[in-house]
Amino acid sequence: DGGITQSPKYLFRKEGQNVTLSCEQNLNHDAMYWYRQDPGQGLRLIYYSQIVNDFQKGDIAEGYSVSREKKESFPLTVTSAQKNPTAFYLCASRGTDNYGYTFGSGTRLTVV
Amino acid sequence: GEDVEQSLFLSVREGDSSVINCTYTDSSSTYLYWYKQEPGAGLQLLTYIFSNMDMKQDQRLTVLLNKKDKHLSLRIADTQTGDSAIYFCAETFPSGGYNKLIFGAGTRLAVHP
Repeated sequence: DGGITQSPKYLFRKEGQNVTLSCEQNLNHDAMYWYRQDPGQGLRLIYYSQIVNDFQKGDIAEGYSVSREKKESFPLTVTSAQKNPTAFYLCASRGTDNYGYTFGSGTRLTVV
Repeated sequence: GEDVEQSLFLSVREGDSSVINCTYTDSSSTYLYWYKQEPGAGLQLLTYIFSNMDMKQDQRLTVLLNKKDKHLSLRIADTQTGDSAIYFCAETFPSGGYNKLIFGAGTRLAVHP
């Protein structure tokens, strides 16, 4: 079955460490997105990529970095510059139609 | 700027209808969506409506769109305990060369016996 796989499901980070969240899709979608979800808030866009080797900052990109070397993969690195990284991170992809937003099951990142 | 607003909480009795409301600000919205999120999980697309439609029905779900008032609603008929979840309204519109997707804060639906 086609879908998006995020790993790990839970991740713990020490202060000052960089961590990378994985997002892989086999839907042959061109566009991929990273969102952050905090309790009681909607999803906020961190980065997006519409095509391989190209990506753009979203609304809250500071302290995050991404790469898009393959169509299937869009990893997100949470750097030590992100001062409040504890959150639920969701990856999504979209096909050529506007109702093709598919979400992964999320990664919960906690700073310890 | 663009914004999507929803009430944060709704409680209904099992078997009753649930109506979740949403307002949005951007008049250039192309599609509007309803997503469902169960605890600890990602978002599941429930239904969507194109901005030139007034209504869409899909089994127990009815979506109503009032474009003049920028108001979207989701009605769930015969609400069941399995419908308990957070429901997100979202709109997509062209912005800076791509289709931007903006979410509301989510409405937590609690279904009780």
